[in-house]
Amino acid sequence: DAGVTQSPTHLIKTRGQHVTLRCSPISGHKSVSWYQQVLGQGPQFIFQYYEKEERGRGNFPDRFSARQFPNYSSELNVNALLLGDSALYLCASSLWGHTENTGELFFGEGSRLTVL
Amino acid sequence: RKEVEQDPGPFNVPEGATVAFNCTYSNSASQSFFWYRQDCRKEPKLLMSVYSSGNEDGRFTAQLNRASQYISLLIRDSKLSDSATYLCVVVPVEGNKLVFGAGTILRVKS
Repeated sequence: DAGVTQSPTHLIKTRGQHVTLRCSPISGHKSVSWYQQVLGQGPQFIFQYYEKEERGRGNFPDRFSARQFPNYSSELNVNALLLGDSALYLCASSLWGHTENTGELFFGEGSRLTVL
Repeated sequence: RKEVEQDPGPFNVPEGATVAFNCTYSNSASQSFFWYRQDCRKEPKLLMSVYSSGNEDGRFTAQLNRASQYISLLIRDSKLSDSATYLCVVVPVEGNKLVFGAGTILRVKS
């Protein structure tokens, strides 16, 4: 069975550009979350979507946005890129939605974004 | 103060050693706790859940002390393959996200 898939795996952008990252969850998983991991730090929560609705938003500026499609895949968009946006962007899927959190997220291998 | 704090290490230990990692969390209302493992340049993966009664899985033992807001992970008989970053994870009361510590690096050497 396919795990969580993300694309692209690596990308280089310049300041001020925008980027769209894509994620396909494990089949049957209705929840998708996005995390940012800066080198040397743990992943930091950006968004959670469950059944196509935003269920949580982390402490990120409005330049970050996301959505979930009817097939449960998801996109993360970042506008007006800054140098500090350089990071590994991880998508994770899970069965749980909001209250039944088992704590198990299945992560994709991530999209490594470099902003020059 | 960070929500989840860990000693970044690295912990350099010989094969066969016992090593312990600690983690503290700031929100006493946090509802559940986990350890994740992340290999170099790979994605994090769930290692084990953490309960007040303790949780053992083979060579790994995790423990939660709610009164002290403290989580531990003990690895016995370390293997080379245990070399990784160990991430302490807390689920806050709102339940819709995981809050990760910065991770503790373990290097097991032959």
